[in-house]
Amino acid sequence: QSVLTQPPSASGTPGQRVTISCSGSTFNIGRNPVNWYQQLPGASPRLLIFDNNQRPSGVPDRFSGSKSGTSASLAISGLQSEDEADYYCAAWDDSLIGVLFGGGTKLTVL
Amino acid sequence: QIHLVQSGAEVKKPGASVKVSCRTSGYTFTTYGISWVRQAPGQGLEWMGWISPYNGNTNYAQKFQGRITMTTDTSTSTAYMELRRLRADDTAVFYCVRDEALLLSKFDPWGQGTLVIVSS
Repeated sequence: QSVLTQPPSASGTPGQRVTISCSGSTFNIGRNPVNWYQQLPGASPRLLIFDNNQRPSGVPDRFSGSKSGTSASLAISGLQSEDEADYYCAAWDDSLIGVLFGGGTKLTVL
Repeated sequence: QIHLVQSGAEVKKPGASVKVSCRTSGYTFTTYGISWVRQAPGQGLEWMGWISPYNGNTNYAQKFQGRITMTTDTSTSTAYMELRRLRADDTAVFYCVRDEALLLSKFDPWGQGTLVIVSS
């Protein structure tokens, strides 16, 4: 079964750098672009990173994405309290012929 | 500015159907796809399917095939998602999203969400 695996939780203190991983397979991350979404409490998700490492306008450069092989990562530097949210990776899966989301990572700013 | 405005919350009984609307503005409706994503209470995101407003082509997630229909009305730039034979575990917030292209999974922006509660 095709899945994208994320750690369920992550944490850091203000100013720290944290990374969130997303592990997939050759059918999804290995062949297709990865996008990251941020969902603040009580809000709709928003696009944070697209095409592996591109930031939409308005997203601070504290957020960065990378991809290598069948894994991707989201990095947040200079952590701020307003970064406390759920983060999801997503990619097209060629075997499912559909979009897969990771299970989500809840980021806590201590 | 681009906006996706969805219809209001619904309460349905098991076995019923629900049809959620998504009115778009701020861009040319036929030049982007629309995907639907749902989120059960306290759970993650789940992609349900995609429709092209340009030609009506659809691609539904295997899990929903046979009980989901996505349509669009280009005269009002509105997309619709109908889910039939509802079960309690269909209780979720349903989001419409502007989808740049089917294989890109680039969803931007998102609607405000529509809560559908399935309960007897």
